[in-house]
Amino acid sequence: DTAVSQTPKYLVTQMGNDKSIKCEQNLGHDTMYWYKQDSKKFLKIMFSYNNKELIINETVPNRFSPKSPDKAHLNLHINSLELGDSAVYFCASSQLGFSGGADEQFFGPGTRLTVL
Amino acid sequence: DAKTTQPNSMESNEEEPVHLPCNHSTISGTDYIHWYRQLPSQGPEYVIHGLTSNVNNRMASLAIAEDRKSSTLILHRATLRDAAVYYCILTISGNTPLVFGKGTRLSVIA
Repeated sequence: DTAVSQTPKYLVTQMGNDKSIKCEQNLGHDTMYWYKQDSKKFLKIMFSYNNKELIINETVPNRFSPKSPDKAHLNLHINSLELGDSAVYFCASSQLGFSGGADEQFFGPGTRLTVL
Repeated sequence: DAKTTQPNSMESNEEEPVHLPCNHSTISGTDYIHWYRQLPSQGPEYVIHGLTSNVNNRMASLAIAEDRKSSTLILHRATLRDAAVYYCILTISGNTPLVFGKGTRLSVIA
């Protein structure tokens, strides 16, 4: 069973369109994230959700709207797509451990978004 | 988050040990040292983490300097499948967003 899954794997679209990427985790984790990896391969956090509530929004344009219908899902909707949105988007999840410290994050396989 | 410094790239022969260094001179007492790797065309994958003591798991070992200002990820026998970008990350909790640097690109030669 895939722990963190994303759909679609590839997404090619025109500038100005609206698109969504879905993420699901079957690990029972409370916290989910969206990361963006640009063409230079830098990975950066975009959003963090805990128990369906937004915790972190790292100065992402408001064209990006994450939605968490339940603890197991965190979807990313992008309005008015721009060329610069082309990237690989990774979803991840984690659970705060009893040590309060260092539980690992599990990443999905990524969604490669290409805006033409 | 405290910053880490890693070499841009390293090369290893297959079936030989690999030592990947990481400097984190501004580490705080509550920072855990995490290592993740990203294989080509895949999402990042957890490798190992530690706080003060050396750690071993089925994938690797983590050697942490006594002053905690540096650490080394040890792959005991590199395989072609270990070719990836390895990231050393400091975080106070695994439940907070990870701050990725450039990492070390490991090439494994058959």
